[in-house]
Amino acid sequence: GAVVSQHPSRVICKSGTSVKIECRSLDFQATTMFWYRQFPKQSLMLMATSNEGSKATYEQGVEKDKFLINHASLTLSTLTVTSAHPEDSSFYICSAGGQLGPNSPLHFGNGTRLTVT
Amino acid sequence: TQLLEQSPQFLSIQEGENLTVYCNSSSVFSSLQWYRQEPGEGPVLLVTVVTGGEVKKLKRLTFQFGDARKDSSLHITAAQPGDTGLYLCAGAQGGSEKLVFGKGTKLTVNP
Repeated sequence: GAVVSQHPSRVICKSGTSVKIECRSLDFQATTMFWYRQFPKQSLMLMATSNEGSKATYEQGVEKDKFLINHASLTLSTLTVTSAHPEDSSFYICSAGGQLGPNSPLHFGNGTRLTVT
Repeated sequence: TQLLEQSPQFLSIQEGENLTVYCNSSSVFSSLQWYRQEPGEGPVLLVTVVTGGEVKKLKRLTFQFGDARKDSSLHITAAQPGDTGLYLCAGAQGGSEKLVFGKGTKLTVNP
């Protein structure tokens, strides 16, 4: 069964609105979660590392004020796309894991398809 | 510059054929993982390799980690239509959990 749950799976919003995506680890605690973005027919690009109880670490070129990350508990991280624009339309995926050490596998959520109209 | 070069990018073969996907880098990785992703879903882990020269088998899939831990390959024997999907390699460096992904190989197995 799924070990990482992501919600919603699909969302359509109007330009200028904000959208929140949730990522939950099931049956385990995740001090670290990762958020990726995937454009059609392309690979996953890491956006940020979500750290429980502290600020997220953003990759170069990712606007932290636009993509707000909150990791308030050991089982939940949220990504909020603020003032969304059509170019933010993409497939957003979270991952969690590594609880057994650096080389233990990461588990991915099923992704969220965001469409901004 | 792509840290992990994955090839080929697209592969279309007939059922029963064999194929190999390559993942190459000039950097050393502490571990390398292979994932398979279906459209509209998240990647699903197939295997993790951590030791240089390591070979792991998963039914008709054989994974190898290079001796220098800079490259890896995925070999599929007697491919089936159910093997169709996007195959992604991803590497971790040092003690980090951060994964760097290759661009993926879109495999289509025709019946």
